Amino acid sequence: GDSVTQMEGPVTLSEEAFLTINCTYTATGYPSLFWYVQYPGEGLQLLLKATKADDKGSNKGFEATYRKETTSFHLEKGSVQVSDSAVYFCALTDTETGANSKLTFGKGITLSVRP
Amino acid sequence: DGGITQSPKYLFRKEGQNVTLSCEQNLNHDAMYWYRQDPGQGLRLIYYSQIVNDFQKGDIAEGYSVSREKKESFPLTVTSAQKNPTAFYLCASSLFGDRGRGGYTFGSGTRLTVV
Repeated sequence: GDSVTQMEGPVTLSEEAFLTINCTYTATGYPSLFWYVQYPGEGLQLLLKATKADDKGSNKGFEATYRKETTSFHLEKGSVQVSDSAVYFCALTDTETGANSKLTFGKGITLSVRP
Repeated sequence: DGGITQSPKYLFRKEGQNVTLSCEQNLNHDAMYWYRQDPGQGLRLIYYSQIVNDFQKGDIAEGYSVSREKKESFPLTVTSAQKNPTAFYLCASSLFGDRGRGGYTFGSGTRLTVV
């Protein structure tokens, strides 16, 4: 079945550091890929997405590029802020398995940014 | 503005009681989902519904029940058969027929504690 693998956490960075959070996937078809963010005590919010190979999703300074050849969708940000402290989830839908594919989530990774 | 409303935000249950968590959406989404989140375990799918009057078990449905009598509403009942119900519960919704490209919209969650 489809799966998403995220790097182990937690991750702690200093403010203005460069961020990379790795995400790789296994899917039988051609998935859409997503990054969600969860701030403490809240639900998940869609951060960015990409629906086909080589697409780059971007939002709030975060970027991720859909790499079909390496089955990856790594999240990057050039300069993190304290307000970026949250849990980040990578997810996919396999768009070949039907019109109403469910999302498969990674386990999530906690990012803490120090002032 | 459209969105998903979960209520209550905090809920306390005594041993042996059933409790119902509310989830309402005004996004005109067809599909709705319930997830359970425990520390360090990511999201686990409890139940989902892709159309009114129909729903499917997810990965951890035992001890839970749902109904989908209206498109806007997907309440979750945590029954006394659920032996470890203390967790953060998240409701989500998505469009029907977009092959997952739109992703999910999440509510802000309900934290259930057994006392």
